[in-house]
Amino acid sequence: QVQLQESGPGLVKPSQTLSLTCTVSGGSISSGSYYWSWIRQPAGKGLEWIGRIYTSGSTNYNPSLKSRVTISVDTSKNQFSLKLSSVTAADTAVYYCARESVVRGVLYGMDVWGQGTTVTVSS
Amino acid sequence: QSVLTQPPSASGTPGQRVTISCSGSSSNIGSNYVYWYQQLPGTAPKLLIYRNNQRPSGVPDRFSGSKSGTSASLAISGLRSEDEADYYCAAWDDSLSGRAVFGGGTQLTVL
Repeated sequence: QVQLQESGPGLVKPSQTLSLTCTVSGGSISSGSYYWSWIRQPAGKGLEWIGRIYTSGSTNYNPSLKSRVTISVDTSKNQFSLKLSSVTAADTAVYYCARESVVRGVLYGMDVWGQGTTVTVSS
Repeated sequence: QSVLTQPPSASGTPGQRVTISCSGSSSNIGSNYVYWYQQLPGTAPKLLIYRNNQRPSGVPDRFSGSKSGTSASLAISGLRSEDEADYYCAAWDDSLSGRAVFGGGTQLTVL
């Protein structure tokens, strides 16, 4: 059973870069046909999709964040990562990583989620 | 302002049937599949419905999804207290180079 676990600093200063890692256990990040995604949720608000990386390494980003976001994968560590630059208080949220199956271009939904990690942007 | 529109709240009594709507446009719901997620308080979202009306293994058949045109809905029959949660619809949006979009969420209260 695949499990995901987010990790990273809980506090980031304004203008700095937020860096989070999602560790995949119970399966290989490089096997199968999956998108590995990042989603965030400000306190008391809804979900916002940040972006995703495919098993092959190709990426898609939310256009509203694209200029500040980088998602990468480290197959040797079975991890994928999120970097969000030039953060402000508006980036304060719970950050989730998730897995989505894709078969012949058809998405099957984000069926595995991490528990989420809270990141606060404050000086 | 979310790309997909959901009512902020819904309610029902135990045993009742409740529906939650999700409205979009031709670039998202109108041309792509709809997904539904359930988020219990303090937990990560859980996939409830995929490809408009398919249930993952383990999701009770009390939950059903449908789609028509640029709108979709989630129905919960035989409402139970443990169904009290936030529900989000989602879809891929083909505009702006493509992105996943969510509804603003519907808080379901079981009275």
